[in-house]
Amino acid sequence: AQTVTQSQPEMSVQEAETVTLSCTYDTSENNYYLFWYKQPPSRQMILVIRQEAYKQQNATENRFSVNFQKAAKSFSLKISDSQLGDTAMYFCAFMKPLYYNQGGKLIFGQGTELSVKP
Amino acid sequence: DAGVTQSPTHLIKTRGQQVTLRCSPKSGHDTVSWYQQALGQGPQFIFQYYEEEERQRGNFPDRFSGHQFPNYSSELNVNALLLGDSALYLCASIIWRLAGTSETQYFGPGTRLLVL
Repeated sequence: AQTVTQSQPEMSVQEAETVTLSCTYDTSENNYYLFWYKQPPSRQMILVIRQEAYKQQNATENRFSVNFQKAAKSFSLKISDSQLGDTAMYFCAFMKPLYYNQGGKLIFGQGTELSVKP
Repeated sequence: DAGVTQSPTHLIKTRGQQVTLRCSPKSGHDTVSWYQQALGQGPQFIFQYYEEEERQRGNFPDRFSGHQFPNYSSELNVNALLLGDSALYLCASIIWRLAGTSETQYFGPGTRLLVL
């Protein structure tokens, strides 16, 4: 069974600085997806970034980028130029492709609560 | 482009009652998944519906049941409510026919259920 682990329950960063959130996962699959979702106090789950395991290039979305280390099963999220609006719970999630057995099911980590301080 | 919608936003029930939560997927999406998120925890997968059938199910008792309609919308039913069923219930949608290409689930705002 797949598992996702986020070892940092809480983190804080000063506005405009850079912060990195860690995530490790366990799977025997070779093809899969990894996601970072953001959940602000409203509890709306918002997609931040997606990584396909077959792509060696790390995904980037504006101020957000990942460091995907497939062999190490590590998937960290870097937030550059942190903004007050980045304050939220961040979840790392794993998903097998839809056409796989048990595909399309998101497996979440426990989350990292990020506070951006002015 | 309409996003995932859920109703109601909040709900208060008493133990033993039954509840029905509703979800309309993002425009063009045909597959709906339901998740339960207890306070302070990550979401847990309940089940997934595609072509009006339950495609897979997580580790939840039979008190949790669902349905998908021809327009792809979905319902989550919980019978014999327990205090421990208090949680945020999230609905997510994805496009099955794009399997292998753009596989990303988008979430609705959730329904907060409180069982007293």
